[in-house]
Amino acid sequence: NAGVTQTPKFRILKIGQSMTLQCTQDMNHNYMYWYRQDPGMGLKLIYYSVGAGITDKGEVPNGYNVSRSTTEDFPLRLELAAPSQTSVYFCASSSGTSGGAVETQYFGPGTRLLVL
Amino acid sequence: GQNIDQPTEMTATEGAIVQINCTYQTSGFNGLFWYQQHAGEAPTFLSYNVLDGLEEKGRFSSFLSRSKGYSYLLLKELQMKDSASYLCAVSSGGSYIPTFGRGTSLIVHP
Repeated sequence: NAGVTQTPKFRILKIGQSMTLQCTQDMNHNYMYWYRQDPGMGLKLIYYSVGAGITDKGEVPNGYNVSRSTTEDFPLRLELAAPSQTSVYFCASSSGTSGGAVETQYFGPGTRLLVL
Repeated sequence: GQNIDQPTEMTATEGAIVQINCTYQTSGFNGLFWYQQHAGEAPTFLSYNVLDGLEEKGRFSSFLSRSKGYSYLLLKELQMKDSASYLCAVSSGGSYIPTFGRGTSLIVHP
């Protein structure tokens, strides 16, 4: 199993450009998450999904959109990039089969985004 | 909401023992996680505490006191490769999704 994979690894965007960060997991996990991590800060939840076709906002959703058309994929869309979106973005997944109990999250390698 | 506090940075000597503390304020506690994150890499799972007490896993142990809103991660026989950031994360209320603290950067020197 590859686990959670993310592309691209690094990207530079100009202000106002748009892009999609890709995330795929091959563990048949129901739950998927997008976090951002700024220097010296913890992980902040952007969006999450409990299954295909279901998404919900996290702590910092403004400026982002997501979709979940399949169990495996959970892309994150930035429509109008701003310097404040410069960050490292991590996608994660968890099985979602423990009846609502807390579960271990598995993280992808991250995407480093610089908006200039 | 939740408030999670960890020291920003700690240093320790190779071969020694270090304890990284995490305090939290929340209602409806579900569980507490510790993750390790090496520079430039993704967080990886270390431990998970639901009940009070000590969970031991090799060189790493994690302790929880729910009444005190307190946990610690204990690293024994420190190695240079243990230099990393250690993230405390708490799940509470109706959400199964943990909230992360800012992390503690541990520097292990010879």
